[in-house]
Parts: sequence; C-alpha cells; structure tokens
Amino acid sequence: EAGVAQSPRYKIIEKRQSVAFWCNPISGHATLYWYQQILGQGPKLLIQFQNNGVVDDSQLPKDRFSAERLKGVDSTLKIQPAKLEDSAVYLCASSLVRRGILYEQYFGPGTRLTVT
Amino acid sequence: KQEVTQIPAALSVPEGENLVLNCSFTDSAIYNLQWFRQDPGKGLTSLLLIQSSQREQTSGRLNASLDKSSGRSTLYIAASQPGDSATYLCAVRPNAGKSTFGDGTTLTVKP
Repeated sequence: EAGVAQSPRYKIIEKRQSVAFWCNPISGHATLYWYQQILGQGPKLLIQFQNNGVVDDSQLPKDRFSAERLKGVDSTLKIQPAKLEDSAVYLCASSLVRRGILYEQYFGPGTRLTVT
Repeated sequence: KQEVTQIPAALSVPEGENLVLNCSFTDSAIYNLQWFRQDPGKGLTSLLLIQSSQREQTSGRLNASLDKSSGRSTLYIAASQPGDSATYLCAVRPNAGKSTFGDGTTLTVKP
C-alpha cells in the first residue's frame, strides 16, 4: 500500500512570510496527525484530526498556525507569519481506527522548514 | 501530564552485540506504546506497537516489552548490525489522549 505522502520536502522562507504544507494519508486511515520535530527532540503533536473533525489542537499556536482536513482525506498545515523558532521538520502521520481501536501511526517523510 | 524519557541519549556498540534501549513514562494509564526508528533526514518508521493489554511484541530481531506498573518499556535488538544505526523513539499514548514521544536514543553499530 502507498505510504503517507507529504510535500514539499524542503522549504526555505524568510521570517514573517507564510508557508503551507500538504499531506495525503494512507487510504482508509481516518486519523491524521501533524507533528513538529525540532532537531534533537522527539515529535510534538500540533493537531489531530478524526475524519475532518479536530480531536486535539491544544499545542497548536493558533495565532499563527492553522490546519484543515477537507473531506476527511488530504490535509494542509499553514504558518502565517513564520518566526525563526518555527524552523523544524513537520511530520504528518495517519492511523487506522477500527471498532474503536486506534492502530499504529504511519509517518510521512516530513517537510524540513528553514526560516531565515 | 505524561513525560517520556529515553536514556541514554546515545549508544555505541560493536556489531553482533545484543542491546537494550529503554523508555520510561510517568503515567501508567496508557492505551498503547509504539517504537519507531528514524534515519537522518527521514520520517519515522514504525517498528512495534504494544497495546495496553499486551506485555511484549516481537518482529524479527526486535522484541519490545511493556511493564505498565513500573512505567517502563524496553526494545531488545539481537545480533546488532551496522544497518541498525539510527535514532530509536518511543511514543506513549494515554487513554483517549495524544501520543507523547521521548527524545530518542541514537544508536551507532560499529562494523
């Protein structure tokens, strides 16, 4: 089966500019996650969707970050305006939910963002 | 708040050695625990998932155990190879909550 797809793979922007990332999860996976991974650290969850509804966005900096998952499939994560501290790898993951059981998370290759 | 710790941060072993990676968590009310591998510049690859009701999972040379009462999970790698060199991360999912990741252990297997 095809894995989680993300684009772009790399992005360099100046501070105060905006940027958007795209994610296509594994077919049939109802749950989609966006994580931020700073160098040397584990991923930190930004937002979790169940179909097209938000389950958890408690760690999403809502003044500058936004995410949507239209039609419960693809998702986009946007940053506007970007700050230097947003430099990180943004990872998208998806997982299957069956009979109320959450299965393992599968990750995409990530988008490396550099803010200068 | 769940906290996940992986010690040591880095580990170097000679090829062929058996090794254990550790993952400690503070809240034992977990839903599942997942071990991942991350190669430099790449995303995370799922290795093993242990549900709350399980005590261990095995895949090839890998064996992961879970002891909720002590707040620990271990990943055992048998007969290590240079290709096993990577960063290994554990993620703990609490009941009806979001996963919390450790910062990983970077493993180097020397030929």
